[in-house]
Amino acid sequence: SYVLTQPPSVSVAPGQTARISCGGDYIGTNHVHWYQQRPGQAPVLVVHDNNGRPSGIPERFSGSNSGNTATLTISRVEAGDEADYYCQVWHSSSDHWVFGGGTKLTVL
Amino acid sequence: QVQLVESGGGVVPPGGSLRLSCEASGFTFTSHGMHWVRQAPGKGPEWVAVISFYGDSKYYGDSVKGRFAISRDNSRKTLYLDMNNLRAEDTALYYCVREMATASSSYDHWGQGTLVTVSS
Repeated sequence: SYVLTQPPSVSVAPGQTARISCGGDYIGTNHVHWYQQRPGQAPVLVVHDNNGRPSGIPERFSGSNSGNTATLTISRVEAGDEADYYCQVWHSSSDHWVFGGGTKLTVL
Repeated sequence: QVQLVESGGGVVPPGGSLRLSCEASGFTFTSHGMHWVRQAPGKGPEWVAVISFYGDSKYYGDSVKGRFAISRDNSRKTLYLDMNNLRAEDTALYYCVREMATASSSYDHWGQGTLVTVSS
């Protein structure tokens, strides 16, 4: 089965840039999506198809994907960005949707 | 606005069965693939199952294949998940999720979830 690997935690000071990675074999050939989940809430889509941004999501959220690593970048981090972040792909060869293990973003 | 409202969760003993429902509103139900995604306490989301627009294609996660069945009633705008032979490890919050209505495989709307607890 296809595995997506994320760092358990990332810490960043307010106003700085946070980068959260998502590793997988040849992930650059997939469309990667990113979700933000605050405590007690359902996940929210923040980036779709590598670098698409749903309506209502700030421009501070962006994504990239190449080789074996996809990255979610959050610029000018705010206290309200503190949450768990999950990457996800549709693995076409198995028709399975796969999530990464998640990264807890802490704003110092 | 888009709404997905799950129901049917509860406490069930190991080996038991349960049927989850998800009532959709605020969008054209037949324009979207629909999924169930679960999240065990303190864990990340896990994909459970997907059903195509008219129910002709269905796929399941390895941990539930052969025990769970996804279905939909487009006339009632309702998604279902029939869960059989439940195990302790099936304990989770079960979300009804809408797939984006484009070539994207992302989830653009989630319900608030219904809690399933498998315990004797």
